[in-house]
Amino acid sequence: EAQVTQNPRYLITVTGKKLTVTCSQNMNHEYMSWYRQDPGLGLRQIYYSMNVEVTDKGDVPEGYKVSRKEKRNFPLILESPSPNQTSLYFCASSADSPQETQYFGPGTRLLVL
Amino acid sequence: SQQGEEDPQALSIQEGENATMNCSYKTSINNLQWYRQNSGRGLVHLILIRSNEREKHSGRLRVTLDTSKKSSSLLITASRAADTASYFCATGASGGSYIPTFGRGTSLIVHP
Repeated sequence: EAQVTQNPRYLITVTGKKLTVTCSQNMNHEYMSWYRQDPGLGLRQIYYSMNVEVTDKGDVPEGYKVSRKEKRNFPLILESPSPNQTSLYFCASSADSPQETQYFGPGTRLLVL
Repeated sequence: SQQGEEDPQALSIQEGENATMNCSYKTSINNLQWYRQNSGRGLVHLILIRSNEREKHSGRLRVTLDTSKKSSSLLITASRAADTASYFCATGASGGSYIPTFGRGTSLIVHP
């Protein structure tokens, strides 16, 4: 089954404790993206990747890092999480650009205390 | 910056009725997409319409695009309780950006 998976689905952490949210897709897609969704603000792109070792900033990259060492995986790293990073995070992949049809993961709900 | 803006923010209808939601945007686009999101879950792609298209259909969905007014509408005919969800438009701006811009969404409730 074609899908995008994320782990963990729920995470509670404390300020400053590094964390990684994993994302994996099995569709051999070139493009992968990370979004955060906040009430009243819709989805905002954090980072995207066009291929292995090629990443670029989205609208809200501050406080986040990404890497793309393998085509199927695109982890999101919060080196020093802060409470304003409490949000619902989605990973997405697309065969063409992120402007084309994207397939979203189930989401990771993060609470930073 | 927010490009797509959906209207209305919330819509409540009875099963069997049609639901219409609108999306307005500000700059030139390559395409516009509609996604559905069930509460707290991932977005599901519904339909993509390109800037040179005016109307597209997919099952009970009908999407129109008016580039002169910078607006799009999504019509769901004969709504079902299972259509209850939030609906988002996402615009792909022309000019080479890889950043699609999502609106804040329309929350649709279909009462059985």
